[in-house]
Amino acid sequence: GNSVTQMEGPVTLSEEAFLTINCTYTATGYPSLFWYVQYPGEGLQLLLKATKADDKGSNKGFEATYRKETTSFHLEKGSVQVSDSAVYFCALILTGGSASKIIFGSGTRLSIRP
Amino acid sequence: DAGVTQSPTHLIKTRGQQVTLRCSPKSGHDTVSWYQQALGQGPQFIFQYYEEEERQRGNFPDRFSGHQFPNYSSELNVNALLLGDSALYLCASSSGNQPQHFGDGTRLSIL
Repeated sequence: GNSVTQMEGPVTLSEEAFLTINCTYTATGYPSLFWYVQYPGEGLQLLLKATKADDKGSNKGFEATYRKETTSFHLEKGSVQVSDSAVYFCALILTGGSASKIIFGSGTRLSIRP
Repeated sequence: DAGVTQSPTHLIKTRGQQVTLRCSPKSGHDTVSWYQQALGQGPQFIFQYYEEEERQRGNFPDRFSGHQFPNYSSELNVNALLLGDSALYLCASSSGNQPQHFGDGTRLSIL
């Protein structure tokens, strides 16, 4: 079946540290890959996306590269800030067909210390 | 430009009751999807509505039903509530192949 596996949290870092959150996927077909972020008490916001192999999505200093050979889409940021504290979800959508549902990973809680 | 709006924000029900949650999509969006997010988990797809019809459904029992209106707004209905239905219910809207935009959700607590 189709699924997303991401590293368990919580992840706690100091401000300005380097961040990596691992994500791997299993999918039939050719998925588009996403990272969503959820701040406390809010819904999900799209952080970045990549629609085909070797694409790099980037936004707000975060980056992730679609690696088909390793079925991975790891999230990275060179220098985290306290405001980056949130829960991050890796997700996929299978392209093609008229309907599209998002399959989410279980989320990784990130806490940044000042 | 208003994004996706959901109501109510919070709701408390008891086992066996019925509940209706509402969603207004982002302007220009014609497709509405509903997700259930249990505490500490990722959202799980419930179903998607397009042109007032259920287009796709996830692995949820028939107690979960929905509706989409001509103005594209949508309702999620849950009958015979169970304790395990306690969760954050998220609505997402989209159009075509564009990414889905999420509302802030309705937190449903079952006592």
